[in-house]
Amino acid sequence: EPEVTQTPSHQVTQMGQEVILRCVPISNHLYFYWYRQILGQKVEFLVSFYNNEISEKSEIFDDQFSVERPDGSNFTLKIRSTKLEDSAMYFCASSDSSNYGYTFGSGTRLTVV
Amino acid sequence: RKEVEQDPGPFNVPEGATVAFNCTYSNSASQSFFWYRQDCRKEPKLLMSVYSSGNEDGRFTAQLNRASQYISLLIRDSKLSDSATYLCVVNRLDTGRRALTFGSGTRLQVQP
Repeated sequence: EPEVTQTPSHQVTQMGQEVILRCVPISNHLYFYWYRQILGQKVEFLVSFYNNEISEKSEIFDDQFSVERPDGSNFTLKIRSTKLEDSAMYFCASSDSSNYGYTFGSGTRLTVV
Repeated sequence: RKEVEQDPGPFNVPEGATVAFNCTYSNSASQSFFWYRQDCRKEPKLLMSVYSSGNEDGRFTAQLNRASQYISLLIRDSKLSDSATYLCVVNRLDTGRRALTFGSGTRLQVQP
């Protein structure tokens, strides 16, 4: 079964440092997403990406965040200057045009110290 | 009011029991509805989509009431492996809007 791959599985970084989280979506999917889940809280939408541009973003996705699809397979989330409250599990997802084929990656646990 | 509300539980039930979860959503523009399952510290996984006429998948039955903005999930003959958090998820599916809105989840613990 096709899967969304995320690396690394766990990242520890110091406050103020930049981090890049990586994702390889399912190859024939057209829509790409980042979600986050703070420990003990609900899954929250950050951003969606379609046709090489951001199609939607939440209020969480401020100027500290950016996304990029640098080549035909990778999809990255960059946090420019991490804060303690950025500590969370970050999930990448991709979907086909129907939106019913939504698949999540296994996540990157980001710990900001 | 939260966009998607669920009873957090936990629901502690014996193996073989029938258990039902409810969910309400506030945005009447919501168009697609799902139940996801999330195991501890893992990614959400789609359990089933929820259709207006109601739908069943093995031991799982989902119902949607658009007038009341209410979604339910029924699990029959609970197994130990059903222990997880069940997430109610809605989606507007407007043009350019495909973000999923998650509830906080209902935790189920099936006991031997």
